[in-house]
Amino acid sequence: EPEVTQTPSHQVTQMGQEVILRCVPISNHLYFYWYRQILGQKVEFLVSFYNNEISEKSEIFDDQFSVERPDGSNFTLKIRSTKLEDSAMYFCASSEAGYEQYFGPGTRLTVT
Amino acid sequence: KNEVEQSPQNLTAQEGEFITINCSYSVGISALHWLQQHPGGGIVSLFMLSSGKKKHGRLIATINIQEKHSSLHITASHPRDSAVYICAAHSQGGSEKLVFGKGTKLTVNP
Repeated sequence: EPEVTQTPSHQVTQMGQEVILRCVPISNHLYFYWYRQILGQKVEFLVSFYNNEISEKSEIFDDQFSVERPDGSNFTLKIRSTKLEDSAMYFCASSEAGYEQYFGPGTRLTVT
Repeated sequence: KNEVEQSPQNLTAQEGEFITINCSYSVGISALHWLQQHPGGGIVSLFMLSSGKKKHGRLIATINIQEKHSSLHITASHPRDSAVYICAAHSQGGSEKLVFGKGTKLTVNP
């Protein structure tokens, strides 16, 4: 069964460093999403991406964040200068038609 | 702004019991997801529904659009059902983003 994959599973970085989280969505899906979950809190929407552009973003998704689909398979989330409060689990999801979403296993980001 | 509330926050059951987890939301939605989050953190989509009822194995999800309420039922619960169950809603108006509840932590004891 096709699935969304994410790499790395765990990333440790120092405050101020740039990180890139990678996702490979399901191959025929057209809609892509990033979510995050701070430890002990609810999952929060960050951004949705369709047709090579951001279709919706939350107030969390400020200028520190960017997304890209650099080729036909990868979907990336970049955090330019990480802060301690960026420590969270980051989930990628994809959807064929914009509703039913399939989630990846997540990347745990730890900022020290 | 759509708020999604779940109850109970924590639920402990004995193997074989019938489980119900509730979800209510504050504004009209186009669809609602039930998700399962494993102890390692991964999220699996269980159901997406916009009306009525869906069944998959021992899991049943129902939604009442007028009452802005959905329930997830697990029949003949098993220790492997132990996980966090999350409901998440798509708001009306074509928004793709999901608004998540805080989750219900289910523990099923043998």
